[in-house]
Amino acid sequence: GAVVSQHPSWVICKSGTSVKIECRSLDFQATTMFWYRQFPKQSLMLMATSNEGSKATYEQGVEKDKFLINHASLTLSTLTVTSAHPEDSSFYICSARGAVETQYFGPGTRLLVL
Amino acid sequence: GQNIDQPTEMTATEGAIVQINCTYQTSGFNGLFWYQQHAGEAPTFLSYNVLDGLEEKGRFSSFLSRSKGYSYLLLKELQMKDSASYLCAVRDSNYQLIWGAGTKLIIKP
Repeated sequence: GAVVSQHPSWVICKSGTSVKIECRSLDFQATTMFWYRQFPKQSLMLMATSNEGSKATYEQGVEKDKFLINHASLTLSTLTVTSAHPEDSSFYICSARGAVETQYFGPGTRLLVL
Repeated sequence: GQNIDQPTEMTATEGAIVQINCTYQTSGFNGLFWYQQHAGEAPTFLSYNVLDGLEEKGRFSSFLSRSKGYSYLLLKELQMKDSASYLCAVRDSNYQLIWGAGTKLIIKP
């Protein structure tokens, strides 16, 4: 089946720094990518939807200036958490959708901000 | 390797009951999730199991047996709007989510 990778899988950073997370579709072209955040024992929360070559659509309550999303190619989307703070510590998951409706998810990135 | 197995597709009748099974082999276990996903939409959370037993939430229930590496999602009083894909996901010892490919549920009148 289709494979989506995320890098890094774990990241620990100091408060105030920026962190970039990459999401790649390895064997298909992803016209749409989704970014989710998940806190412990809670459901996935959709943060934003991005279509290749256009600006991301952010869900209500998600700060677009804090969570920068770039979907510059059909196989790569990046999420940059700018000026990270401890409350941004969470599990970030991307998913990708190609020509068919099936949405493939990445393994996730665990962010810890100290 | 890590693996999540669930049926590719199931068909059921409106008003009936359907059980969607999920078996897993993962490096450690830190919870099992079920998600519903309608075509063209993001998945929505249905249930979370970390202890053995049955979790009931309205028309949907989810069961877990950690010793058997097995879970099922039970949907009662099926409605046409329940036609969707149902995703099983397990969080492993590294807190990474291992996802099943999803079960497409077709509800017929």
